[in-house]
Order: sequence, then C-alpha cells, then structure tokens
Amino acid sequence: EVQLVESGGGLVKPGGSLRLSCAASGFTFRTFTMNWVRQAPGKGLEWVSTISSDSSWINYADSVKGRFTISRDNAKNSLHLQMNSLRVEDTAVYYCARVFPMLRWDPTLTVASDYWGQGTLVTVSS
Amino acid sequence: QSVLTQPPSASGTPGQRVTISCSGSSYNIGRNFVNWYRQLPGTAPKLLICRNNERPSGVPDRFSGSKYGASASLAISGLQSEDEADYYCAAWDDGLQGPVFGGGTKLTVL
Repeated sequence: EVQLVESGGGLVKPGGSLRLSCAASGFTFRTFTMNWVRQAPGKGLEWVSTISSDSSWINYADSVKGRFTISRDNAKNSLHLQMNSLRVEDTAVYYCARVFPMLRWDPTLTVASDYWGQGTLVTVSS
Repeated sequence: QSVLTQPPSASGTPGQRVTISCSGSSYNIGRNFVNWYRQLPGTAPKLLICRNNERPSGVPDRFSGSKYGASASLAISGLQSEDEADYYCAAWDDGLQGPVFGGGTKLTVL
C-alpha cells in the first residue's frame, strides 16, 4: 500500500525556518517524481515545488522561489522541503504527493498527483 | 485570483448528472492536459481524472472529463451523497512554467 507521511510542521515566527519531511513507502520511491502542494486555511490548492526522480529537474512556484528548497534522499525514501524566510502568507497545510506515472519524461505531466499524504500544518505568526 | 476559473458552487440531487466547468487560456488548458481532483472535507485531495479524460485505477466510470479549446469540464453521473466535496481542476501553464489550479467548486448534494 502506498503511504506518504509528512512531518515537521508547526508554529514559526515570520522570517523563521522550518524543514518538512515526507516518508514514502509501498512503492519504488526512487523512480517517481514528487510534488509539494499547499492549501491555506479555507482556501484552494497551490502547487509549491516538484523534483524529478533523480533530482536532476527541480521546479518552484514564483511565490516560494529563492526561499524554499526541495530535496530527496532516495536511499531513505524521503522527500524534504526546507522553508526559509517564512511569511504569514506561507501558512497552510503542506502535502507531499506522488506524480502519476509517466511513460516518458514530460514536465507538463507533473500536474497529476495520484497519491497524497495527510498533510502537515505550517503556521507562520508572531 | 486563480489562473483557472471554476464556479464557486454547484449542486444536484441524488441520481442526477452534474457538470463542473474550468476555464483557462491558450497558455494552460488550450495546449496542455487537464486534471481533476476531489477533496472531501478534512482530507487530502484525490486524483479523479488525468490527461483530460483518463480515470486512474479505482475511480468509478461515473466520473468523466472533457476538454474543448481553453475550457474543460468534469461530469458526474448518478450523483451520490458522498460526492459532496470540493472539486479542483489543474493544468500546466506554459507562461508560468508550472502547474496551476482552479479556485475549486463546492458541490452540494441536495
């Protein structure tokens, strides 16, 4: 059974840092592209970042570029999101998600995520 | 303001067929695949439709997707009470060079 479990969320002051992790199991993690997607309280979904299976392709939303860093450890089946210079508007539930299998690499196909974790809440407040 | 535009709400009665629209532009829906997600209250999103009209394993054939130009729609037939949820469309945007979502449609089963 595919499982994604996020951790690392919490309360942090504006300007602070937080590192989210996502533990993957039940599938061959090293062969899948992964996403981080967030959802502010009462709001819709917002894509945050994507990393390819071998970390050779990384993409960020403009809203987090230069502040967030996505990474993965295929040996440990884990995905990470280092968040620096946090702002109040970064407050959200952060989900890690597996990208739907692709027959060939195509970044436009990274939109589809077939498995999601339960999410971890990040609250940025003074 | 979301890049993709969805109606904020929709409704239907059990057994009915309902559709949810998603409007974009030539930068996103017009030239890329559309995907649909369902989010039940307090849970993570679930992929319903990928690549315009493909259903991932386990998704009932009551759900179908279509695309026409820079717009798309999700159709749900045989509406059930458990279909009451938020629905989101998503697509790659060539201008922003990343995925974009619609603002979501809250479906109420009357």
